[in-house]
Amino acid sequence: KQEVTQIPAALSVPEGENLVLNCSFTDSAIYNLQWFRQDPGKGLTSLLLIQSSQREQTSGRLNASLDKSSGRSTLYIAASQPGDSATYLCAVTGGGNKLTFGTGTQLKVEL
Amino acid sequence: NAGVTQTPKFQVLKTGQSMTLQCAQDMNHNSMYWYRQDPGMGLRLIYYSASEGTTDKGEVPNGYNVSRLNKREFSLRLESAAPSQTSVYFCASSERLGRGNEQFFGPGTRLTVL
Repeated sequence: KQEVTQIPAALSVPEGENLVLNCSFTDSAIYNLQWFRQDPGKGLTSLLLIQSSQREQTSGRLNASLDKSSGRSTLYIAASQPGDSATYLCAVTGGGNKLTFGTGTQLKVEL
Repeated sequence: NAGVTQTPKFQVLKTGQSMTLQCAQDMNHNSMYWYRQDPGMGLRLIYYSASEGTTDKGEVPNGYNVSRLNKREFSLRLESAAPSQTSVYFCASSERLGRGNEQFFGPGTRLTVL
């Protein structure tokens, strides 16, 4: 059974700092990996989708990498801002074409 | 273009009551999904519909039923609510099932069962 782990569970950084969020998965037979952002009391917003054949994807200040063979992905956020404060979730699509989610990293960017 | 919409936003039920959560998408997507989110558990798939007219069980289907009313709408029904079903429910859609396809989520329904 696929398991997705995100470390750390919570992170607090000062504004302007670059940061990395980690995601690991136990079964490397995935089709893609997706990073989401969730604001308190809100739904999930898709940030980046990386296909299994890709190594990374970029959107603005966000860069996501994927190392399928080692079962790892990172989400790099450059020049963090208070508006980046949210919970970040990663999810993988594997056998059965279903998403398996991690439990998220709660990020707080302080002024 | 509203994306994925869900109603209601909040609901309180008593044990044994029934209710239906509604979901609609306007992106002409073929596949739709229902998830629940619980603290420390992440999101778990309840049911999904690969295309209009089909539905399949996900990871935690017990206590729920679904209907894919048409291509736009996918409803989730609790026939006899239990406190264990207190959760936040999310509907999602994608162009088609699985590989390579980005899922888009609705704002959620916060359900409390007393």
